[in-house]
Amino acid sequence: AQSVSQHNHHVILSEAASLELGCNYSYGGTVNLFWYVQYPGQHLQLLLKYFSGDPLVKGIKGFEAEFIKSKFSFNLRKPSVQWSDTAEYFCAVTGGAGGFKTIFGAGTRLFVKA
Amino acid sequence: NAGVTQTPKFRVLKTGQSMTLLCAQDMNHEYMYWYRQDPGMGLRLIHYSVGEGTTAKGEVPDGYNVSRLKKQNFLLGLESAAPSQTSVYFCASRPGQGGFYEQYFGPGTRLTVT
Repeated sequence: AQSVSQHNHHVILSEAASLELGCNYSYGGTVNLFWYVQYPGQHLQLLLKYFSGDPLVKGIKGFEAEFIKSKFSFNLRKPSVQWSDTAEYFCAVTGGAGGFKTIFGAGTRLFVKA
Repeated sequence: NAGVTQTPKFRVLKTGQSMTLLCAQDMNHEYMYWYRQDPGMGLRLIHYSVGEGTTAKGEVPDGYNVSRLKKQNFLLGLESAAPSQTSVYFCASRPGQGGFYEQYFGPGTRLTVT
């Protein structure tokens, strides 16, 4: 069965610190990988996604993620966080080219201190 | 475009009462989903639909029913609410077949069952 594991449930950083959020998935075939963000009081929105090509993908607001197939990982990074990055981050995977179900990780709550 | 909308935004039910949550999307998307979000558990799929008139069970379907009579609407029903159904419910939609498509989320419905 598909599963997604996010290693950190809560992360606290100071502004300008670097961020890396871990995500590992379990799936035997082709995968489509996503990071969604949920700002306080708002709905989920797409941060970035990977489905083919360059394993280093760039998203909105300076975020990037690297797909490492051999490690079944899709870690999210940002070189310098801002207070406005305070949010909950969800890693998600949809299996297969025609996959219709997406499995979400438990989420990581990031708090950035000003 | 309004995107994905949900009504109501908040609701308090007594145990045993019933209610229907409405999700509407104006993007002509084929696929629609209902999730529940609970602290530390991420998003869990309740039911989904890959087209008008079709529905299928997700990960946690017990106690819920759905209908998709019109392409743009996806209704989630609770026939006899239980405290365990206290949660935030999110609706999402996706263009169609193709696991690389991201989902577009509504603002959520916060339901409390007492």
